[in-house]
Amino acid sequence: EAGVTQSPTHLIKTRGQQATLRCSPISGHTSVYWYQQALGLGLQFLLWYDEGEERNRGNFPPRFSGRQFPNYSSELNVNALELEDSALYLCASSLSPASPEAFFGQGTRLTVV
Amino acid sequence: EDQVTQSPEALRLQEGESSSLNCSYTVSGLRGLFWYRQDPGKGPEFLFTLYSAGEEKEKERLKATLTKKESFLHITAPKPEDSATYLCAVQAGANNLFFGTGTRLTVIP
Repeated sequence: EAGVTQSPTHLIKTRGQQATLRCSPISGHTSVYWYQQALGLGLQFLLWYDEGEERNRGNFPPRFSGRQFPNYSSELNVNALELEDSALYLCASSLSPASPEAFFGQGTRLTVV
Repeated sequence: EDQVTQSPEALRLQEGESSSLNCSYTVSGLRGLFWYRQDPGKGPEFLFTLYSAGEEKEKERLKATLTKKESFLHITAPKPEDSATYLCAVQAGANNLFFGTGTRLTVIP
C-alpha cells in the first residue's frame, strides 16, 4: 500500500513568489495535516483538512493557505514568500478525525532565496 | 495552553547502553500520546500510540510507557541504527497532533 506522497521533493523560489506544495494521502484516509519544520526546530502545525473542510489552523499568517480536493489530496499554498519560510513542509494523513494515528510523507524542502 | 516538553534535547549513548527519553505534557482531555522517529531530512515514522495511564507498547528495542503526566521511551541495548530524533506528540480533544521539539539520539559503536 502506498504511503503519503508529497511533491515536489525540493522547491526553490525567490522571495515574493508563490509556492504550491502537493500531498496525496494514504488510500482511504480522509484527514490531511500540514506541518512546517524549520531547520533545527520542531514541527509547527499549519493546517488540518478533513472531508474537504478546514478543521483547524495553526498560528500562521493568512498567506499560508490550502485546500483539500474531493479525492482527499491536498495542496498548500504559500504566497509572498519570505526567507523565513524556508523549511521542510510535511504532510500527514489519518483515517479520520476519530482515528488519530497520523502517517507522514517525506516532505517538501522549500528554499526561499 | 497545551504543552509538550521533551528531555533531554540530545543524548549520546554507547552501543548497548540502555537509557530513557522523557516526554512530559500538559493538555486538557488527552486522547492519545504518540511517539515518532525522524531521520535527518525525512518525514517522521510512526512508532507507538498510548491512550491511557499504565499502558505500555513495545517494538524491538523500544518500549513506551505512559503516566498521567509523562511518557517514557525506553531504549534497551541500542544499536547505531537507532540514532535519530525521537518525537513525542499529543492529541487533546478533537484537535490535531501537537509535537514536542524532540530528543536527538546518537548511538556510538
